[in-house]
Amino acid sequence: GESVGLHLPTLSVQEGDNSIINCAYSNSASDYFIWYKQESGKGPQFIIDIRSNMDKRQGQRVTVLLNKTVKHLSLQIAATQPGDSAVYFCAENINSGYSTLTFGKGTMLLVSP
Amino acid sequence: GAGVSQSPSNKVTEKGKDVELRCDPISGHTALYWYRQSLGQGLEFLIYFQGNSAPDKSGLPSDRFSAERTGGSVSTLTIQRTQQEDSAVYLCASSSPHAPGSSGWGYGYTFGSGTRLTVV
Repeated sequence: GESVGLHLPTLSVQEGDNSIINCAYSNSASDYFIWYKQESGKGPQFIIDIRSNMDKRQGQRVTVLLNKTVKHLSLQIAATQPGDSAVYFCAENINSGYSTLTFGKGTMLLVSP
Repeated sequence: GAGVSQSPSNKVTEKGKDVELRCDPISGHTALYWYRQSLGQGLEFLIYFQGNSAPDKSGLPSDRFSAERTGGSVSTLTIQRTQQEDSAVYLCASSSPHAPGSSGWGYGYTFGSGTRLTVV
């Protein structure tokens, strides 16, 4: 769903399901993208990144897909676990992470046992 | 240090008082950033220090906000005459072209745990 006011879009899944979190970015000149996970009371934690010359990158249980045509990123989490419950943010940058990041609004992922 | 360290972790202050928030970046990281996160919101850029260059202050919301970075390391964000709308989590991050992240690129952009500021 769309973010309205203070309400974050929320994705609720069952443990073991695959999760897909989507993000629309704003700047067609952005050449570097990062997904962060933020647990309650903590700072954003790096999950995975991707450069604009790639359309897919895989990590451990996570995959990031980049569609530059429609300025869209997605984060896929395989076999979601309760410990994956957090707010997930995408961020974009035009200098490979050596300048300010522009963040999306975030999506809350809730994983039920 | 091993990570970005921020202090205090929590700060409650009365409206109209000044506050100082501190950030210790990762040792050797030449770039330092301050962001603000209001409840249920994304991160809002405030200010960016890059080596010895003049800081990018374009994100500071008012002239009550200022920041310094001494000796290219520790940074202090100061908010004067605090208002209730200043209540938020203030996050610091650092990065360096000489310290790529686990991907081998991306300059190790790393956040601290933040300072939760509450203005009452």
